[in-house]
Amino acid sequence: DTAVSQTPKYLVTQMGNDKSIKCEQNLGHDTMYWYKQDSKKFLKIMFSYNNKELIINETVPNRFSPKSPDKAHLNLHINSLELGDSAVYFCASSFRGSTEQYFGPGTRLTVT
Amino acid sequence: AQSVTQLDSQVPVFEEAPVELRCNYSSSVSVYLFWYVQYPNQGLQLLLKYLSGSTLVKGINGFEAEFNKSQTSFHLRKPSVHISDTAEYFCAVSDPNTGNQFYFGTGTSLTVIP
Repeated sequence: DTAVSQTPKYLVTQMGNDKSIKCEQNLGHDTMYWYKQDSKKFLKIMFSYNNKELIINETVPNRFSPKSPDKAHLNLHINSLELGDSAVYFCASSFRGSTEQYFGPGTRLTVT
Repeated sequence: AQSVTQLDSQVPVFEEAPVELRCNYSSSVSVYLFWYVQYPNQGLQLLLKYLSGSTLVKGINGFEAEFNKSQTSFHLRKPSVHISDTAEYFCAVSDPNTGNQFYFGTGTSLTVIP
């Protein structure tokens, strides 16, 4: 039973394209997150959603938009992809106020 | 704002030797502290966490960490490493008042040499 799953695992695309990464959790958590891990392994939070409400939005370009159809899913849409968007994107989930977040396996995005 | 510093980007160590991975944080308020491990091509897995109470925290796979408030450190230790411990280790901090926002260090790559 996969707790937090992401699709696809790998995504290779060209500059200017629009792409989406999907995330699903079956833990019953009410808060989900997206993190970006760059080539130097630096991990930084991008978004968090609680009960369909955005509660954290770091300085992320508006080309990135999280979409949550329900509390078990938080998808990441990226418009007009740029070379600098190449990274590994991790989804995570938790109960609001909980100190523990559960991470998905990551999606490696390569923009050429 | 909080920040986390992991001074050692790479740590090679022989199998069955002890290891310490260093983590320092900067915060003027109380914090929660965490160590996560990332095995190759996998997501992050929680090793251990410090919330309050005893400053020595024991985690999974024989790891432990000690919270030192005066030195603002939370170093990770293991007395005897195995080949399977080869992975990337991340220290993280969060604010108890908000809980959900994590700040991660840049990671330490531990390589266990047979």
